[in-house]
Amino acid sequence: GAVVSQHPSWVICKSGTSVKIECRSLDFQATTMFWYRQFPKQSLMLMATSNEGSKATYEQGVEKDKFLINHASLTLSTLTVTSAHPEDSSFYICSARLAGGNNERFFGPGTRLTVL
Amino acid sequence: AQKVTQAQTEISVVEKEDVTLDCVYETRDTTYYLFWYKQPPSGELVFLIRRNSFDEQNEISGRYSWNFQKSTSSFNFTITASQVVDSAVYFCALGTGRRALTFGSGTRLQVQP
Repeated sequence: GAVVSQHPSWVICKSGTSVKIECRSLDFQATTMFWYRQFPKQSLMLMATSNEGSKATYEQGVEKDKFLINHASLTLSTLTVTSAHPEDSSFYICSARLAGGNNERFFGPGTRLTVL
Repeated sequence: AQKVTQAQTEISVVEKEDVTLDCVYETRDTTYYLFWYKQPPSGELVFLIRRNSFDEQNEISGRYSWNFQKSTSSFNFTITASQVVDSAVYFCALGTGRRALTFGSGTRLQVQP
Protein backbone atom coordinates (compact mmCIF):
# COMPACT_ATOMS: atom_id res chain seq x y z
CA GLY A 1 0.00 0.00 0.00
CA ALA A 2 0.92 3.63 -0.33
CA VAL A 3 3.13 5.07 2.39
CA VAL A 4 3.08 8.50 3.93
CA SER A 5 5.91 9.55 6.20
CA GLN A 6 6.16 12.38 8.66
CA HIS A 7 9.25 13.94 10.10
CA PRO A 8 9.98 14.39 12.89
CA SER A 9 7.91 11.80 14.75
CA TRP A 10 8.18 13.89 17.88
CA VAL A 11 9.60 17.27 18.79
CA ILE A 12 10.01 19.29 21.95
CA CYS A 13 10.61 22.99 21.62
CA LYS A 14 10.65 26.14 23.68
CA SER A 15 7.82 28.60 23.62
CA GLY A 16 8.28 31.21 20.91
CA THR A 17 10.23 29.05 18.50
CA SER A 18 9.01 27.74 15.15
CA VAL A 19 8.72 24.10 14.26
CA LYS A 20 8.50 22.56 10.81
CA ILE A 21 6.80 19.23 10.19
CA GLU A 22 7.25 17.42 6.90
CA CYS A 23 4.78 15.10 5.26
CA ARG A 24 5.93 12.99 2.33
CA SER A 25 4.15 10.54 0.08
CA LEU A 26 6.88 7.99 -0.53
CA ASP A 27 5.63 5.96 -3.45
CA PHE A 28 2.85 7.98 -4.99
CA GLN A 29 1.94 11.49 -6.03
CA ALA A 30 -0.47 13.37 -3.83
CA THR A 31 -2.50 16.14 -5.41
CA THR A 32 -3.95 17.06 -2.08
CA MET A 33 -2.66 16.79 1.44
CA PHE A 34 -4.64 17.35 4.60
CA TRP A 35 -3.37 18.42 7.99
CA TYR A 36 -5.14 17.34 11.15
CA ARG A 37 -4.57 18.10 14.80
CA GLN A 38 -5.51 15.77 17.62
CA PHE A 39 -5.54 16.83 21.26
CA PRO A 40 -5.37 14.16 23.97
CA LYS A 41 -8.45 11.97 24.13
CA GLN A 42 -10.07 13.86 21.28
CA SER A 43 -10.75 13.19 17.65
CA LEU A 44 -8.83 14.34 14.61
CA MET A 45 -9.77 17.85 13.62
CA LEU A 46 -9.00 19.11 10.15
CA MET A 47 -6.79 22.16 10.14
CA ALA A 48 -6.23 22.78 6.47
CA THR A 49 -6.25 21.35 2.98
CA SER A 50 -3.31 21.97 0.70
CA ASN A 51 -3.16 21.45 -3.02
CA GLU A 52 0.13 21.26 -4.83
CA GLY A 53 1.18 24.64 -6.15
CA SER A 54 -1.60 26.66 -4.58
CA LYS A 55 -2.45 28.25 -1.27
CA ALA A 56 -3.82 26.11 1.48
CA THR A 57 -7.44 26.34 2.56
CA TYR A 58 -7.77 26.68 6.32
CA GLU A 59 -10.66 25.56 8.47
CA GLN A 60 -12.51 28.11 10.52
CA GLY A 61 -10.64 29.04 13.65
CA VAL A 62 -7.23 27.97 12.37
CA GLU A 63 -4.81 30.88 12.05
CA LYS A 64 -3.14 30.76 8.68
CA ASP A 65 -0.33 33.05 9.80
CA LYS A 66 0.47 30.77 12.68
CA PHE A 67 0.23 27.48 10.84
CA LEU A 68 2.07 27.94 7.57
CA ILE A 69 1.50 25.24 5.00
CA ASN A 70 3.60 24.75 1.90
CA HIS A 71 2.84 22.12 -0.71
CA ALA A 72 5.66 22.67 -3.13
CA SER A 73 5.61 19.31 -4.86
CA LEU A 74 3.34 16.34 -5.39
CA THR A 75 5.19 14.41 -2.73
CA LEU A 76 5.91 16.95 0.00
CA SER A 77 3.86 19.22 2.20
CA THR A 78 5.19 21.07 5.22
CA LEU A 79 3.43 22.54 8.22
CA THR A 80 5.29 25.20 10.16
CA VAL A 81 4.02 26.14 13.58
CA THR A 82 5.30 29.67 14.08
CA SER A 83 5.96 31.15 17.50
CA ALA A 84 4.74 27.99 19.16
CA HIS A 85 3.05 28.17 22.55
CA PRO A 86 2.19 25.42 25.04
CA GLU A 87 -1.41 25.35 23.78
CA ASP A 88 -0.07 24.26 20.37
CA SER A 89 1.16 21.04 21.94
CA SER A 90 -0.72 18.34 20.10
CA PHE A 91 -0.47 15.37 17.75
CA TYR A 92 -0.30 16.52 14.15
CA ILE A 93 -1.28 14.07 11.43
CA CYS A 94 -1.09 14.51 7.69
CA SER A 95 -3.06 12.66 5.07
CA ALA A 96 -2.40 12.43 1.35
CA ARG A 97 -4.93 11.91 -1.41
CA LEU A 98 -3.73 9.78 -4.28
CA ALA A 99 -3.60 11.83 -7.48
CA GLY A 100 -6.05 10.33 -9.95
CA GLY A 101 -6.97 7.74 -7.40
CA ASN A 102 -10.39 6.63 -6.32
CA ASN A 103 -10.50 8.94 -3.32
CA GLU A 104 -7.92 6.87 -1.55
CA ARG A 105 -6.38 8.68 1.38
CA PHE A 106 -3.35 7.61 3.31
CA PHE A 107 -2.28 8.82 6.72
CA GLY A 108 1.13 9.60 8.09
CA PRO A 109 2.21 8.23 11.47
CA GLY A 110 1.82 11.61 13.14
CA THR A 111 4.11 14.09 14.86
CA ARG A 112 3.86 14.73 18.55
CA LEU A 113 4.68 18.34 19.36
CA THR A 114 5.38 19.45 22.91
CA VAL A 115 5.94 23.13 23.54
CA LEU A 116 7.55 23.97 26.87
CA ALA B 1 -22.79 19.49 6.32
CA GLN B 2 -21.32 16.16 7.16
CA LYS B 3 -21.29 14.52 10.53
CA VAL B 4 -20.19 11.26 12.09
CA THR B 5 -21.49 10.24 15.49
CA GLN B 6 -19.93 7.60 17.69
CA ALA B 7 -22.13 7.66 20.72
CA GLN B 8 -20.07 5.21 22.73
CA THR B 9 -17.21 7.08 24.35
CA GLU B 10 -15.69 4.11 26.08
CA ILE B 11 -16.42 0.40 26.17
CA SER B 12 -14.88 -2.14 28.49
CA VAL B 13 -15.20 -5.87 27.86
CA VAL B 14 -13.55 -9.02 29.05
CA GLU B 15 -11.44 -11.00 26.66
CA LYS B 16 -13.37 -13.32 24.34
CA GLU B 17 -16.50 -11.22 24.52
CA ASP B 18 -18.00 -9.86 21.32
CA VAL B 19 -18.28 -6.10 21.07
CA THR B 20 -20.02 -3.79 18.61
CA LEU B 21 -18.95 -0.22 17.99
CA ASP B 22 -21.65 2.02 16.63
CA CYS B 23 -21.30 4.66 13.93
CA VAL B 24 -24.02 6.89 12.52
CA TYR B 25 -23.32 9.34 9.73
CA GLU B 26 -24.99 12.26 8.02
CA THR B 27 -24.35 13.52 4.51
CA ARG B 28 -26.31 14.97 1.63
CA ASP B 29 -24.02 13.42 -0.94
CA THR B 30 -25.29 10.32 -2.69
CA THR B 31 -21.77 9.05 -3.27
CA TYR B 32 -19.61 8.72 -0.21
CA TYR B 33 -17.16 6.46 1.53
CA LEU B 34 -17.12 5.14 5.05
CA PHE B 35 -14.01 4.11 6.94
CA TRP B 36 -12.96 2.55 10.20
CA TYR B 37 -9.54 3.19 11.71
CA LYS B 38 -7.85 1.82 14.78
CA GLN B 39 -5.58 4.10 16.80
CA PRO B 40 -3.36 2.25 19.27
CA PRO B 41 -1.45 4.14 21.99
CA SER B 42 1.37 4.86 19.53
CA GLY B 43 -1.02 7.20 17.75
CA GLU B 44 -0.59 5.93 14.23
CA LEU B 45 -3.90 5.32 12.49
CA VAL B 46 -4.40 1.80 11.25
CA PHE B 47 -6.76 1.47 8.30
CA LEU B 48 -9.37 -1.26 8.80
CA ILE B 49 -11.96 -0.88 6.08
CA ARG B 50 -13.33 1.40 3.37
CA ARG B 51 -16.84 1.05 2.02
CA ASN B 52 -18.53 3.03 -0.71
CA SER B 53 -22.14 4.09 -0.56
CA PHE B 54 -23.21 1.78 -3.35
CA ASP B 55 -21.97 -1.34 -1.68
CA GLU B 56 -24.18 -2.35 1.21
CA GLN B 57 -22.81 -5.83 1.50
CA ASN B 58 -21.61 -6.66 4.94
CA GLU B 59 -17.99 -7.62 5.25
CA ILE B 60 -16.12 -10.05 7.41
CA SER B 61 -12.39 -10.12 7.89
CA GLY B 62 -11.25 -12.61 10.47
CA ARG B 63 -12.69 -11.54 13.82
CA TYR B 64 -13.85 -8.22 12.38
CA SER B 65 -17.16 -7.62 10.68
CA TRP B 66 -18.98 -4.55 9.47
CA ASN B 67 -22.69 -3.91 9.04
CA PHE B 68 -23.57 -1.11 6.63
CA GLN B 69 -27.22 -0.02 6.70
CA LYS B 70 -28.07 2.92 4.47
CA SER B 71 -31.64 2.96 5.74
CA THR B 72 -30.41 3.93 9.20
CA SER B 73 -27.20 5.68 8.06
CA SER B 74 -25.15 3.36 10.17
CA PHE B 75 -21.88 1.55 9.70
CA ASN B 76 -21.30 -0.58 12.78
CA PHE B 77 -18.20 -2.56 13.56
CA THR B 78 -18.16 -5.83 15.48
CA ILE B 79 -15.17 -7.57 16.97
CA THR B 80 -15.81 -11.21 17.72
CA ALA B 81 -13.95 -12.93 20.56
CA SER B 82 -12.13 -9.77 21.55
CA GLN B 83 -8.48 -9.88 22.57
CA VAL B 84 -6.35 -7.60 24.71
CA VAL B 85 -4.53 -6.46 21.56
CA ASP B 86 -7.82 -5.01 20.33
CA SER B 87 -7.60 -2.34 23.01
CA ALA B 88 -7.39 0.99 21.21
CA VAL B 89 -9.43 3.96 20.10
CA TYR B 90 -11.54 3.24 17.04
CA PHE B 91 -12.64 5.98 14.68
CA CYS B 92 -15.38 5.91 12.09
CA ALA B 93 -14.94 8.41 9.25
CA LEU B 94 -16.86 9.70 6.27
CA GLY B 95 -15.39 10.89 2.99
CA THR B 96 -17.03 12.57 0.03
CA GLY B 97 -15.48 13.79 -3.19
CA ARG B 98 -12.01 15.16 -2.79
CA ARG B 99 -12.58 16.59 0.65
CA ALA B 100 -10.89 15.55 3.83
CA LEU B 101 -12.40 12.81 5.89
CA THR B 102 -14.77 13.74 8.67
CA PHE B 103 -14.06 11.74 11.80
CA GLY B 104 -16.33 10.68 14.61
CA SER B 105 -15.29 11.36 18.18
CA GLY B 106 -13.93 7.87 18.59
CA THR B 107 -14.69 4.95 20.88
CA ARG B 108 -12.08 3.80 23.36
CA LEU B 109 -12.17 0.03 23.70
CA GLN B 110 -10.61 -1.63 26.70
CA VAL B 111 -10.34 -5.39 26.59
CA GLN B 112 -9.55 -6.83 30.00
CA PRO B 113 -7.71 -10.14 30.28
